[in-house]
Amino acid sequence: NAGVTQTPKFQVLKTGQSMTLQCAQDMNHNSMYWYRQDPGMGLRLIYYSASEGTTDKGEVPNGYNVSRLNKREFSLRLESAAPSQTSVYFCASSEGLAGGLNTGELFFGEGSRLTVL
Amino acid sequence: AQKVTQAQTEISVVEKEDVTLDCVYETRDTTYYLFWYKQPPSGELVFLIRRNSFDEQNEISGRYSWNFQKSTSSFNFTITASQVVDSAVYFCALSEAWETSGSRLTFGEGTQLTVNP
Repeated sequence: NAGVTQTPKFQVLKTGQSMTLQCAQDMNHNSMYWYRQDPGMGLRLIYYSASEGTTDKGEVPNGYNVSRLNKREFSLRLESAAPSQTSVYFCASSEGLAGGLNTGELFFGEGSRLTVL
Repeated sequence: AQKVTQAQTEISVVEKEDVTLDCVYETRDTTYYLFWYKQPPSGELVFLIRRNSFDEQNEISGRYSWNFQKSTSSFNFTITASQVVDSAVYFCALSEAWETSGSRLTFGEGTQLTVNP
Protein backbone atom coordinates (compact mmCIF):
# COMPACT_ATOMS: atom_id res chain seq x y z
CA ASN A 1 0.00 0.00 0.00
CA ALA A 2 2.21 2.82 -1.27
CA GLY A 3 -0.38 5.63 -1.11
CA VAL A 4 1.43 8.89 -1.84
CA THR A 5 5.14 8.67 -2.58
CA GLN A 6 7.48 11.67 -2.63
CA THR A 7 11.07 11.88 -3.75
CA PRO A 8 13.60 12.87 -2.65
CA LYS A 9 13.16 12.67 1.13
CA PHE A 10 16.03 15.08 1.75
CA GLN A 11 17.80 17.63 -0.43
CA VAL A 12 20.33 20.36 0.12
CA LEU A 13 20.62 23.07 -2.51
CA LYS A 14 22.67 26.17 -2.98
CA THR A 15 20.93 29.47 -3.63
CA GLY A 16 20.02 29.73 -7.30
CA GLN A 17 20.00 26.02 -8.03
CA SER A 18 16.92 24.36 -9.42
CA MET A 19 15.28 21.11 -8.50
CA THR A 20 12.07 19.15 -8.88
CA LEU A 21 10.17 17.32 -6.19
CA GLN A 22 8.31 14.31 -7.51
CA CYS A 23 5.03 12.97 -6.21
CA ALA A 24 2.99 9.96 -7.25
CA GLN A 25 -0.20 8.45 -5.87
CA ASP A 26 -1.67 5.04 -6.56
CA MET A 27 -5.18 5.61 -5.20
CA ASN A 28 -6.68 6.85 -8.49
CA HIS A 29 -7.38 10.22 -6.88
CA ASN A 30 -8.42 13.15 -9.00
CA SER A 31 -6.92 15.95 -6.93
CA MET A 32 -3.34 16.53 -5.84
CA TYR A 33 -1.67 19.22 -3.74
CA TRP A 34 1.65 20.60 -2.66
CA TYR A 35 1.97 22.10 0.82
CA ARG A 36 4.92 23.49 2.69
CA GLN A 37 5.33 23.28 6.45
CA ASP A 38 7.28 25.86 8.40
CA PRO A 39 7.63 26.11 12.19
CA GLY A 40 4.74 27.96 13.77
CA MET A 41 2.90 28.37 10.48
CA GLY A 42 1.17 25.07 9.96
CA LEU A 43 0.85 23.84 6.41
CA ARG A 44 0.36 26.29 3.58
CA LEU A 45 -0.89 25.39 0.14
CA ILE A 46 1.53 26.12 -2.68
CA TYR A 47 -0.27 24.73 -5.73
CA TYR A 48 -2.95 22.21 -6.39
CA SER A 49 -4.44 20.27 -9.25
CA ALA A 50 -8.15 19.60 -9.02
CA SER A 51 -8.01 17.11 -11.86
CA GLU A 52 -5.66 15.90 -14.54
CA GLY A 53 -4.84 18.76 -16.88
CA THR A 54 -5.54 21.59 -14.43
CA THR A 55 -3.37 23.41 -11.93
CA ASP A 56 -4.05 26.43 -9.73
CA LYS A 57 -2.16 28.62 -7.33
CA GLY A 58 -2.60 28.22 -3.63
CA GLU A 59 -1.66 30.56 -0.81
CA VAL A 60 2.12 30.75 -1.41
CA PRO A 61 2.90 30.01 -5.10
CA ASN A 62 5.74 32.47 -5.70
CA GLY A 63 9.01 30.82 -6.68
CA TYR A 64 7.38 27.52 -7.62
CA ASN A 65 5.95 25.82 -10.67
CA VAL A 66 4.02 22.59 -10.95
CA SER A 67 3.20 20.00 -13.56
CA ARG A 68 0.38 17.48 -13.45
CA LEU A 69 2.09 14.94 -15.63
CA ASN A 70 -0.81 12.49 -15.58
CA LYS A 71 -3.44 11.40 -13.10
CA ARG A 72 -0.85 9.77 -10.85
CA GLU A 73 1.95 12.31 -10.83
CA PHE A 74 2.25 15.91 -9.69
CA SER A 75 5.68 17.54 -9.57
CA LEU A 76 6.85 20.74 -7.88
CA ARG A 77 9.75 22.70 -9.36
CA LEU A 78 11.95 25.34 -7.80
CA GLU A 79 13.56 27.22 -10.68
CA SER A 80 15.98 29.28 -8.61
CA ALA A 81 16.04 28.18 -5.00
CA ALA A 82 16.19 30.76 -2.22
CA PRO A 83 16.89 30.31 1.52
CA SER A 84 13.26 31.27 2.20
CA GLN A 85 12.25 28.05 0.49
CA THR A 86 13.93 25.97 3.14
CA SER A 87 11.01 23.93 4.41
CA VAL A 88 9.38 20.54 4.60
CA TYR A 89 7.24 19.88 1.54
CA PHE A 90 4.24 17.60 1.55
CA CYS A 91 2.42 16.22 -1.40
CA ALA A 92 -1.17 15.10 -0.87
CA SER A 93 -4.03 13.69 -2.84
CA SER A 94 -7.76 13.43 -2.42
CA GLU A 95 -10.54 11.69 -4.23
CA GLY A 96 -11.96 15.03 -5.31
CA LEU A 97 -14.73 15.57 -7.77
CA ALA A 98 -14.19 17.52 -10.93
CA GLY A 99 -16.99 19.93 -10.21
CA GLY A 100 -19.21 19.39 -7.22
CA LEU A 101 -19.10 18.65 -3.55
CA ASN A 102 -15.69 17.87 -2.18
CA THR A 103 -15.57 16.46 1.27
CA GLY A 104 -12.57 14.25 1.15
CA GLU A 105 -9.70 13.96 3.49
CA LEU A 106 -6.21 14.46 2.19
CA PHE A 107 -3.77 11.60 2.02
CA PHE A 108 -0.24 12.82 2.59
CA GLY A 109 3.17 11.67 1.54
CA GLU A 110 5.96 11.39 4.09
CA GLY A 111 7.40 14.79 3.29
CA SER A 112 10.56 16.11 1.66
CA ARG A 113 12.95 18.16 3.73
CA LEU A 114 14.63 20.83 1.61
CA THR A 115 17.46 23.05 2.80
CA VAL A 116 18.64 25.97 0.69
CA LEU A 117 22.01 27.39 1.70
CA ALA B 1 -11.14 34.06 3.30
CA GLN B 2 -11.07 31.21 5.72
CA LYS B 3 -8.84 30.97 8.74
CA VAL B 4 -8.05 28.45 11.44
CA THR B 5 -6.50 29.45 14.77
CA GLN B 6 -4.90 27.13 17.27
CA ALA B 7 -3.93 29.45 20.07
CA GLN B 8 -2.07 26.82 22.09
CA THR B 9 1.39 26.51 20.62
CA GLU B 10 2.62 23.93 23.11
CA ILE B 11 0.98 21.86 25.81
CA SER B 12 2.75 19.61 28.26
CA VAL B 13 0.90 17.11 30.46
CA VAL B 14 1.68 14.12 32.58
CA GLU B 15 0.52 10.72 31.44
CA LYS B 16 -3.11 9.89 32.28
CA GLU B 17 -4.14 13.53 32.39
CA ASP B 18 -6.93 14.69 30.12
CA VAL B 19 -6.02 17.40 27.64
CA THR B 20 -8.07 19.59 25.30
CA LEU B 21 -6.70 21.15 22.14
CA ASP B 22 -8.54 24.25 21.00
CA CYS B 23 -9.45 25.16 17.44
CA VAL B 24 -11.32 28.25 16.30
CA TYR B 25 -12.19 28.84 12.66
CA GLU B 26 -13.53 31.54 10.39
CA THR B 27 -15.40 31.02 7.17
CA ARG B 28 -18.14 32.78 5.21
CA ASP B 29 -19.50 29.52 3.87
CA THR B 30 -22.47 27.82 5.43
CA THR B 31 -21.25 24.43 4.27
CA TYR B 32 -17.76 23.40 5.25
CA TYR B 33 -15.71 20.57 6.69
CA LEU B 34 -13.43 20.48 9.69
CA PHE B 35 -10.56 18.09 10.20
CA TRP B 36 -7.99 17.10 12.76
CA TYR B 37 -4.64 15.64 11.73
CA LYS B 38 -1.88 14.24 13.89
CA GLN B 39 1.82 14.58 13.07
CA PRO B 40 3.95 12.29 15.26
CA PRO B 41 7.71 12.81 15.58
CA SER B 42 8.25 10.63 12.52
CA GLY B 43 6.74 13.45 10.45
CA GLU B 44 3.87 11.92 8.54
CA LEU B 45 0.38 13.40 8.75
CA VAL B 46 -2.33 11.12 10.04
CA PHE B 47 -6.02 11.84 9.51
CA LEU B 48 -8.06 11.68 12.72
CA ILE B 49 -11.53 13.01 11.97
CA ARG B 50 -13.72 14.92 9.52
CA ARG B 51 -16.87 16.74 10.57
CA ASN B 52 -19.29 18.59 8.30
CA SER B 53 -20.91 21.84 9.28
CA PHE B 54 -24.39 20.37 9.49
CA ASP B 55 -23.49 17.80 12.10
CA GLU B 56 -22.91 19.29 15.51
CA GLN B 57 -23.02 16.02 17.39
CA ASN B 58 -19.99 15.35 19.48
CA GLU B 59 -17.98 12.33 18.50
CA ILE B 60 -16.04 9.89 20.61
CA SER B 61 -13.52 7.39 19.36
CA GLY B 62 -11.79 5.51 22.14
CA ARG B 63 -9.82 8.05 24.17
CA TYR B 64 -10.45 10.80 21.60
CA SER B 65 -13.47 13.07 21.53
CA TRP B 66 -14.39 16.13 19.53
CA ASN B 67 -16.68 18.99 20.46
CA PHE B 68 -18.03 21.01 17.54
CA GLN B 69 -19.88 24.23 18.38
CA LYS B 70 -21.01 26.36 15.47
CA SER B 71 -22.16 29.13 17.81
CA THR B 72 -18.56 29.75 18.87
CA SER B 73 -16.91 28.52 15.63
CA SER B 74 -14.90 26.00 17.58
CA PHE B 75 -13.92 22.40 17.01
CA ASN B 76 -12.02 21.25 20.08
CA PHE B 77 -10.26 17.94 20.52
CA THR B 78 -9.94 16.14 23.86
CA ILE B 79 -7.66 13.25 24.68
CA THR B 80 -8.72 11.36 27.78
CA ALA B 81 -6.13 9.58 29.91
CA SER B 82 -3.26 10.75 27.72
CA GLN B 83 -0.38 8.44 26.86
CA VAL B 84 3.20 9.08 25.85
CA VAL B 85 2.34 7.87 22.33
CA ASP B 86 -0.06 10.80 22.02
CA SER B 87 2.91 13.15 21.88
CA ALA B 88 2.70 14.84 18.50
CA VAL B 89 1.77 18.03 16.71
CA TYR B 90 -1.96 18.25 16.13
CA PHE B 91 -3.42 20.30 13.31
CA CYS B 92 -6.95 21.53 12.90
CA ALA B 93 -8.03 22.28 9.31
CA LEU B 94 -10.99 23.67 7.39
CA SER B 95 -12.27 22.96 3.90
CA GLU B 96 -15.03 24.80 2.09
CA ALA B 97 -17.38 22.20 0.69
CA TRP B 98 -18.62 23.60 -2.59
CA GLU B 99 -15.33 23.42 -4.33
CA THR B 100 -14.84 22.84 -7.97
CA SER B 101 -11.17 22.69 -7.26
CA GLY B 102 -10.56 19.82 -4.93
CA SER B 103 -10.45 19.69 -1.15
CA ARG B 104 -8.19 22.58 -0.38
CA LEU B 105 -7.54 22.63 3.33
CA THR B 106 -6.61 25.63 5.41
CA PHE B 107 -4.55 24.51 8.39
CA GLY B 108 -4.06 26.02 11.80
CA GLU B 109 -0.58 26.60 13.15
CA GLY B 110 -0.58 23.36 15.07
CA THR B 111 -0.32 22.48 18.76
CA GLN B 112 2.69 20.55 20.02
CA LEU B 113 1.47 18.11 22.66
CA THR B 114 4.04 16.49 24.93
CA VAL B 115 2.92 13.75 27.26
CA ASN B 116 5.46 13.01 29.96
CA PRO B 117 5.66 9.66 31.74
